[in-house]
This record gives sequence, structure tokens and C-alpha cells, in this order.
Amino acid sequence: QSVLTQPPSVSGAPGQRVTISCTGSSSNIGAGSDVHWYQRLPETAPKLLIYVNNNRPSGVPGRFSGSKSGTSASLAISGLQAEDEGDYYCQSYDSSLSGWVFGGGTQLTVL
Amino acid sequence: QVQLQESGPGLMKPSQTLSLTCTVSGGSISSDNYYWSWIRQPAGKGLEWIGRIYTTGSTSYIPSLKSRVTISLDTSRSQFSLRLTSVTAADTAFYYCARGVYASGSYYFDIWGQGTMVTVSS
Repeated sequence: QSVLTQPPSVSGAPGQRVTISCTGSSSNIGAGSDVHWYQRLPETAPKLLIYVNNNRPSGVPGRFSGSKSGTSASLAISGLQAEDEGDYYCQSYDSSLSGWVFGGGTQLTVL
Repeated sequence: QVQLQESGPGLMKPSQTLSLTCTVSGGSISSDNYYWSWIRQPAGKGLEWIGRIYTTGSTSYIPSLKSRVTISLDTSRSQFSLRLTSVTAADTAFYYCARGVYASGSYYFDIWGQGTMVTVSS
């Protein structure tokens, strides 16, 4: 059971917009801890996608965006492309565990 | 371009000690603002942060593993290592090394290794 809760899977057709939620608690996201997102494509290492809630590293397309409110955060992917298919993970800091925690991951399928 | 590469045994027996090494190339392992972490993922489960080490040698571990884990740093070889004692089947997982960065008031992992699978079985 992961500390941060994500839906196991989401799907969408090419060109559509999908969102992936990340729900935490008062000891992590709700305590003000920032949320970061990672993308893991098949047979590749995880890649930083969004940092500090809504910032994109250099090279990440503007189709990817993040937001945070209360005890939750969301990753939005617009203009869905086949190459976006993979696993997505959220991450934050948990004060009660004194460490970094991840979501269980969401598998994105492009129909 | 900084790259990380894990190495270690693929198969272990229960009660043995797991040793994994992460080699950092393309950049300095002694740079300020970077923390070097180990993260694992059991099959069918989410990612779990194990612990980290700073360039000063200061370490931090997840409480559930603290009694069994040690992370060390070898700056001369540009490597950091994970040592996990008394492994069981529950330690079977894909293990990643990652570079943690402190920026904008927050910590996140900006570079990851490809990962290495560790299976604990008798």
C-alpha cells in the first residue's frame, strides 16, 4: 500500500487529454510538501517529468502540466500521443515517515 | 550528461547480505546540492525510497529498513553503494539508484539509473 494513492490505470485516444490524480494526507501533500512526477516508458529509466508541483524540466513538452491543491495533486497530459504510453508516478515528502514517498503508479494506455 | 548505472547480484538466498553499487559518470559525485539515493520497486507495487547519502557522508533511511540498511559513498571511484542485511523474499525488487536534488525548496530525483533486478529465493 503506497502512501500516495494513484489510479492503477488511465487511458485515452490520441489527441485527447487525460489526468492522473495523486492523493496524499496531512503528513505529506496536505502539509505543504511539493509534488513531483516521473514518467517511466517501457524498457527505460524513470524520467523527471514535473518538479515542484508544476515545473517542467528542460526538454519536457508543454503538453505535460501539474497542479496541486489541498491533499491532492494532478498530472495532466494533453494532445495524447502513442509515445506517452507508460507508467507515471507522483512523489512527495512525508513528515511522519521522515522520508520521500511515492504513489503506486498509474499505467497510461493510448488507445 | 550525468549517468547512473547500478551493478550487483541478480539472485540471492534468504539471510544473505545484498550489496549494490551505483557508478556515477559524466559529473562529480561530490557536487553540492545533490543527494544520492536508492529506490526499489517490488513486482506489482509502487516505488519505495530506501535511503540517501550526501557528499559529507551524512545518511538518512526509511524507518522500516533502518536496522538493515547502510548506504556508503566512495568519491574516489565515483560510486555509492547499498548494503541490505538479512534479505528475505520481501526484498525481491527492481532496485534503482537516483540523484536527488534540492531546488526551489524541495527535493526530487532528477536522474535515475536503469535499475537492476534482485531476486531473493532459496
